[in-house]
Formats: sequence, structure tokens, C-alpha cells
Amino acid sequence: GAVVSQHPSRVICKSGTSVKIECRSLDFQATTMFWYRQFPKQSLMLMATSNEGSKATYEQGVEKDKFLINHASLTLSTLTVASAHPEDSSFYICSARDATNEKLFFGSGTQLSVL
Amino acid sequence: KQEVTQIPAALSVPEGENLVLNCSFTDSAIYNLQWFRQDPGKGLTSLLLIQSSQREQTSGRLNASLDKSSGRSTLYIAASQPGDSATYLCAVTGVGGNNRLAFGKGNQVVVIP
Repeated sequence: GAVVSQHPSRVICKSGTSVKIECRSLDFQATTMFWYRQFPKQSLMLMATSNEGSKATYEQGVEKDKFLINHASLTLSTLTVASAHPEDSSFYICSARDATNEKLFFGSGTQLSVL
Repeated sequence: KQEVTQIPAALSVPEGENLVLNCSFTDSAIYNLQWFRQDPGKGLTSLLLIQSSQREQTSGRLNASLDKSSGRSTLYIAASQPGDSATYLCAVTGVGGNNRLAFGKGNQVVVIP
């Protein structure tokens, strides 16, 4: 089946550090990728939608200058958490929509801990 | 705004019993509905996708039904196994310009050996 690779799986960093998370669709082209945030025992919350070659669309309340999204190719999107603070600690998950069948495939997630 | 509710939030069943997980959504104008499985600290695995024009989808021991007009979907897992223990998430995709995915909070399932 289709695979989405998300790296790194875990990041522990100091406050003020910028963290980049990569999301790759390995065997399909994804014109659209999504970034989610999940707090413990809560549902996924959509942060932004990124379309290849264009600017990401951010959900209300999500700071675009804090969460920088780049979708430079049909198989790669990156999320950079700029100057991370402890309140940014969370589980971040990406997903990619297979253009041929509309199915969504998810990465394995990145647990970010900001000290 | 689409609201997705999953009931029950958590349940435990003995091995071998059938599981019934419910999902309801407030806006029936959906493109599709998808059921996912999430293991602790992991990403999501897609289980079944039902297009808005379909009534159900089946894969092995899993069967998902969709009643779009009443805003409901049910995931059935037959003859549950301990390996089925996980959180099951229901998500709907809106139509047209509202193609975002709206998730429920999940059904946390424990299958007792």
C-alpha cells in the first residue's frame, strides 16, 4: 500500500530552536498534503493545507510565521516550527492525498518536546 | 462547521465479540468518509474509505456503513482480537471549497484476551 514517510519521529530541543519536520509520499504523487497537531487524548486538529507549488492555507488561529510550510514537490512537504517554545510541544502528523484515488495516507507522526 | 462525534469514547470487549463503533456528523454534504486506526504515539492507518455515493465498504473482518442523509457511519469489526486494540478515528471530507478533513475524537478500543 501507499506509504508516507515522516521524519524525525521524535525531537527534543531547547526553547528558541527551529525544528523542521519532513513528510514524503514514497510511491505516489500528492498534490495536497495536510499538517495536523494532536494533543494527548484529543482528536487531530488541522493546522494547514499545502498544495504543491503554492502557498499553504492555514486554519484559523494557526500562526503562519510560526509554522512554516513548504510543499516544493509532489512528494515532499516540510513543516518548520520557528523558534519553538514549550507550548509548541505536541504530536505533529502529516498526511498526503493520493491524486489518483483521493485516499489519505498518514505519516507516523513526530513527537516534539521543547524544553 | 462540520462536527464529528464518535460514540462510545472508550470500550472494552472480550476477545471474539463483535465491535460496533459509531460516528455521526452534522453536515451531510460530504465528499467521503474514512475510518482510521491509530496506535499510541503512532500515525494513522487508513482502514476504509466510503465515497458519498456508496453505502458500505468491506475489508476482511471490517465493514463500514454510511447513511449520508442521517449523518451516520458505523464501523463493524467481526470476531475481535487483542491486536484490534487501538483508537479508531472517523473523518469526513467536505465538498467543493470546503475539502478539509474533520475528525472525531476517536473510539478507544481494548480487546481483552
